[in-house]
Amino acid sequence: EDQVTQSPEALRLQEGESSSLNCSYTVSGLRGLFWYRQDPGKGPEFLFTLYSAGEEKEKERLKATLTKKESFLHITAPKPEDSATYLCAVLGSGGSEKLVFGKGTKLTVNP
Amino acid sequence: EPEVTQTPSHQVTQMGQEVILRCVPISNHLYFYWYRQILGQKVEFLVSFYNNEISEKSEIFDDQFSVERPDGSNFTLKIRSTKLEDSAMYFCASSVLSSTDTQYFGPGTRLTVL
Repeated sequence: EDQVTQSPEALRLQEGESSSLNCSYTVSGLRGLFWYRQDPGKGPEFLFTLYSAGEEKEKERLKATLTKKESFLHITAPKPEDSATYLCAVLGSGGSEKLVFGKGTKLTVNP
Repeated sequence: EPEVTQTPSHQVTQMGQEVILRCVPISNHLYFYWYRQILGQKVEFLVSFYNNEISEKSEIFDDQFSVERPDGSNFTLKIRSTKLEDSAMYFCASSVLSSTDTQYFGPGTRLTVL
């Protein structure tokens, strides 16, 4: 069964304090790993798509990396507006069209 | 920037009533999806829809659920007889050409079943 596990469940940072979020996945034949940001009461907002081990994507203070077993979302010098829940998802195996989500990491950045 | 829209933002209904949740996917997208998120839990896949038919559904998507693309822009999710456990946020999503493309999500409809 496809599984996505994210850690930590919650993370508190001071503004400017860099850190990383982890997403471990179990899927037969990865066809895509996706990072989303979710604000309270809102829909997931797309951040990155990664398709193969070694791939990296960057956007402002965020950088996503991918290995054969996990992905990291690195946050450099975060600001309070980066506070949100960050969701990781993989495309299901066997040609499935569904995204399998992790529970997310709730990030709080204090000023 | 094009976005997925959903209406209503909040729907309150009595147990046993029918509800229809509406979505307008991004205009040039061909794949459409419904997901749900029960409070405090993971986002869960319900159904995918392509070329006017269901292409995949989860075990959650039983006979009480149905989807339809009634015209060229709308995509709907119907729950025939709502249960208390159907209370959740329901998200519509769409992707351009295939399921390996990025799925873009709407803001969601909060369904409360009393």
